[in-house]
Amino acid sequence: GAVVSQHPSRVICKSGTSVKIECRSLDFQATTMFWYRQFPKQSLMLMATSNEGSKATYEQGVEKDKFLINHASLTLSTLTVTSAHPEDSSFYICSASLRAPSRETQYFGPGTRLLVL
Amino acid sequence: TQLLEQSPQFLSIQEGENLTVYCNSSSVFSSLQWYRQEPGEGPVLLVTVVTGGEVKKLKRLTFQFGDARKDSSLHITAAQPGDTGLYLCAGAFLGYGGSQGNLIFGKGTKLSVKP
Repeated sequence: GAVVSQHPSRVICKSGTSVKIECRSLDFQATTMFWYRQFPKQSLMLMATSNEGSKATYEQGVEKDKFLINHASLTLSTLTVTSAHPEDSSFYICSASLRAPSRETQYFGPGTRLLVL
Repeated sequence: TQLLEQSPQFLSIQEGENLTVYCNSSSVFSSLQWYRQEPGEGPVLLVTVVTGGEVKKLKRLTFQFGDARKDSSLHITAAQPGDTGLYLCAGAFLGYGGSQGNLIFGKGTKLSVKP
């Protein structure tokens, strides 16, 4: 149980285009979904937290107009990188937490490798 | 402010050796998770510890949660090449984004087990 999928797993795009990444919880309803960014050889950096039906909460320094998050249902959240630039190239990982009482445990998707040319 | 420190950052050992990874904070964790991540993949949950003094075992992996819930350790016995990967501890702190279940991640321990 507690499987999270991400799509696509890898994407290459031209500078200036937008890219949408989907995160789905396959066998459970997620109270909250999280979006992380991971640079090579580094740990995960939380970008934003999203709850179904409400606006995402962004971490300091993360541009909300650049990284649009839509949490349409209890099993789907999307991250759209708008007007992507080469510096946005990274490994993006989502996670989902179960409904209470185990809300602090997060289950991660397999990640999406974004390369902006 | 770094709320959570993980050590060592790098560990290279021979097959069969034992090792321990540490995760420490000056604040009290409400819970702590250990994850393992392989290159190009998302972290996979190994264990969640909640109770002070708790010990959990997963085959050759032993996880301990300190009595004061400020520290945790991961001990691997007789390491194998298949244990190679990035080990991450992540803690939820009382009073830090608790309502959303936010986790603070350690910097990770990159383990390499040579045959």
